[in-house]
Amino acid sequence: DGGITQSPKYLFRKEGQNVTLSCEQNLNHDAMYWYRQDPGQGLRLIYYSQIVNDFQKGDIAEGYSVSREKKESFPLTVTSAQKNPTAFYLCASSTPEWRYGYTFGSGTRLTVV
Amino acid sequence: DAKTTQPPSMDCAEGRAANLPCNHSTISGNEYVYWYRQIHSQGPQYIIHGLKNNETNEMASLIITEDRKSSTLILPHATLRDTAVYYCIVRVGNYGQNFVFGPGTRLSVLP
Repeated sequence: DGGITQSPKYLFRKEGQNVTLSCEQNLNHDAMYWYRQDPGQGLRLIYYSQIVNDFQKGDIAEGYSVSREKKESFPLTVTSAQKNPTAFYLCASSTPEWRYGYTFGSGTRLTVV
Repeated sequence: DAKTTQPPSMDCAEGRAANLPCNHSTISGNEYVYWYRQIHSQGPQYIIHGLKNNETNEMASLIITEDRKSSTLILPHATLRDTAVYYCIVRVGNYGQNFVFGPGTRLSVLP
């Protein structure tokens, strides 16, 4: 079945370390997105990409980086510059036609220890 | 950008209809209303969307007022598995960079 796979489901990081979250989709969607969710809050957009080798900053891009070398993959790196990285991270994709909105992955919960 | 307003929480008895309201008074003529839900610690799930007319699918019904300034998501026979946060979103652009998820409504279905 087509879908979006995020890995790992849980991730622990020591302060000062960079960590990369994986997001892979086999839906043939052009656009992909990364969101952050804090407890009891809505989703905030970190980065998005509408096409391979191109991506744009969202509302809270500081301390994060992304790449889009393949259509299927949109990894997110949480750098040591992100001061409060503990959160739930969600990846999503959509079709250019946009009709049905987003398809989301199951998320990665990152905890800084 | 069009914004939405939802009550922070609602309760519903199991087996009864759950009616979740959303206000979007600044919606533009070409903007759609989308509904998603998020069960705890999972990714949001698409439920339904509409422009002007009422819509129904296997999950829910969407009722949009004639002036399009508000809408209601109806879960006809709520079950315990419908306990989740429900997001009402107005699409404001051609791509998802403006697909804004607010705090939503936390629906609790009670036995």
